[in-house]
Amino acid sequence: DAKTTQPPSMDCAEGRAANLPCNHSTISGNEYVYWYRQIHSQGPQYIIHGLKNNETNEMASLIITEDRKSSTLILPHATLRDTAVYYCIVRVNAGNNRKLIWGLGTSLAVNP
Amino acid sequence: NAGVTQTPKFRILKIGQSMTLQCTQDMNHNYMYWYRQDPGMGLKLIYYSVGAGITDKGEVPNGYNVSRSTTEDFPLRLELAAPSQTSVYFCASRQNPNYGYTFGSGTRLTVV
Repeated sequence: DAKTTQPPSMDCAEGRAANLPCNHSTISGNEYVYWYRQIHSQGPQYIIHGLKNNETNEMASLIITEDRKSSTLILPHATLRDTAVYYCIVRVNAGNNRKLIWGLGTSLAVNP
Repeated sequence: NAGVTQTPKFRILKIGQSMTLQCTQDMNHNYMYWYRQDPGMGLKLIYYSVGAGITDKGEVPNGYNVSRSTTEDFPLRLELAAPSQTSVYFCASRQNPNYGYTFGSGTRLTVV
């Protein structure tokens, strides 16, 4: 069962920041939050991940609340090529492997 | 680097037929995974491997088998294809559990 909740769809104007929210209220202290995106049935693409601190890379920023119950992925200047389904995922510790539980994601439409 | 390569890209099987989905990676990643994605859904883990000679079941392993004789290759075997196995199959790898996945482009399988 997915441990995250995301809005099913969002719109964003090209050139503006896209802020994608995610709730993970049952997250445990040692579970990471990962973000992936999937463009038109291609293989998912890793974006960013974090545990407690905010993270930034060349693709996006990840803001995690202090209580870790929610996070926001920020695409600072969305382009048409950012139109995709964005998955917020919590990494579940399971034995020797840490598995990702995938939900339904947010379908982001970047409009001209 | 080619990354993660999956073959074939498309396949139609008749009920009861068998086939092997091929997956190879050239990044020397120890961890490899097989996921399936049904229409409009997130990914479900079928099998995974933490290194050559080691495999383990994921969430939905029934009807599938895997092997990992080398670091590079992680084939997925369907022995008796059923319509319920109609899906898109993604292979993924990563360097270790703290890194993001690299996904292949997927195999679209239809069982009729």
